[in-house]
Amino acid sequence: AQSVTQLGSHVSVSEGALVLLRCNYSSSVPPYLFWYVQYPNQGLQLLLKYTSAATLVKGINGFEAEFKKSETSFHLTKPSAHMSDAAEYFCAVETGANSKLTFGKGITLSVRP
Amino acid sequence: DTEVTQTPKHLVMGMTNKKSLKCEQHMGHRAMYWYKQKAKKPPELMFVYSYEKLSINESVPSRFSPECPNSSLLNLHLHALQPEDSALYLCASSPQGQGIYEQYFGPGTRLTVT
Repeated sequence: AQSVTQLGSHVSVSEGALVLLRCNYSSSVPPYLFWYVQYPNQGLQLLLKYTSAATLVKGINGFEAEFKKSETSFHLTKPSAHMSDAAEYFCAVETGANSKLTFGKGITLSVRP
Repeated sequence: DTEVTQTPKHLVMGMTNKKSLKCEQHMGHRAMYWYKQKAKKPPELMFVYSYEKLSINESVPSRFSPECPNSSLLNLHLHALQPEDSALYLCASSPQGQGIYEQYFGPGTRLTVT
């Protein structure tokens, strides 16, 4: 069965620092992977998706992620954190028909001034 | 129009009440989803509709009853809920067909069962 693992529950960075949020996947077939962001009291918004076209995927708000098959990873990065990046981040993998998603447990990003 | 709308934003209901949540999209998407999300947890899939037919029911209790009257509208009828059903209920939609498609989420309905 396909799944994703997000280790840790909270990451805190200073404004302007590198953001690195980790996601590892488990899949016997090439996975389709997504990163979503959820701001407080809002729905989820797609940051980026991997569909095997390119291993380095650029998303919205300056985020990008690199698919590494050898490490079964799809970590999310942003070179310089902004206060507005504080939110919950979910990694997800497509796990069936109808674009069904299985989410990781999520990670909270805090940005210190 | 690239958004999914949900009404109401907040709902408080007693355990004997009957209420409905509404979700609407006008993007021509043919898959629609209901999720339940507890605080600090990922969304949990409840139901999937594909071309207006229920295709996935993740063993959801019968006190939750989904309905898809047309390709743009998705309802979730609630009856005799329990306090543990209090959560954020998210609706999403997605195109169908060849390709890999993301889901577009609405802002959610915050449900409190008293």
